[in-house]
Amino acid sequence: DSGVTQTPKHLITATGQRVTLRCSPRSGDLSVYWYQQSLDQGLQFLIQYYNGEERAKGNILERFSAQQFPDLHSELNLSSLELGDSALYFCASSATIGNYGYTFGSGTRLTVV
Amino acid sequence: GQQLNQSPQSMFIQEGEDVSMNCTSSSIFNTWLWYKQDPGEGPVLLIALYKAGELTSNGRLTAQFGITRKDSFLNISASIPSDVGIYFCAGQTPWGGSQGNLIFGKGTKLSVKP
Repeated sequence: DSGVTQTPKHLITATGQRVTLRCSPRSGDLSVYWYQQSLDQGLQFLIQYYNGEERAKGNILERFSAQQFPDLHSELNLSSLELGDSALYFCASSATIGNYGYTFGSGTRLTVV
Repeated sequence: GQQLNQSPQSMFIQEGEDVSMNCTSSSIFNTWLWYKQDPGEGPVLLIALYKAGELTSNGRLTAQFGITRKDSFLNISASIPSDVGIYFCAGQTPWGGSQGNLIFGKGTKLSVKP
């Protein structure tokens, strides 16, 4: 157990739908990162939050959004889902910004049918 | 954007063999990290490198941060069956600021020789 909790583990949904992925960071970690892992693209950085504030954005589509709440858990919202959004979505956390040894959760496998 | 070229894409190992993989980039990196991912799990950090030329070991694993800051390698000595999995290199360029977002290679898949 890495200490980073992601729910749900698996999600199957139809095209056009909206889903929410949830992440609880490791105790004491203030920074949360979201990554998408697909077979052909590898691990792609989506977005980072630090203590409730957005700090960096990567290749995140406009249909996707995220937030970090006062209790530091984070949610990634994916809307108007397309087949190509099927992937593993990972959350990672670290104690501070710039601490690169961050800890990944076990991921949420999203399948869009 | 910046890209990391990781090779080989896959390799087969026999127990006891030494294994080597590397990552190269056209951009300079400030930090190199090596992760391992087992099926159904998230990547786990193996080794972190912060200075050009740095050579760091973690048990049977050794990694180096290239002098040019554009490459890194990972060696696994005397491999054992539990070494199978996917190994990722990751790095952060100076232009990434201090935000901590990493660029990942596409991985090297280690399998056991049939």
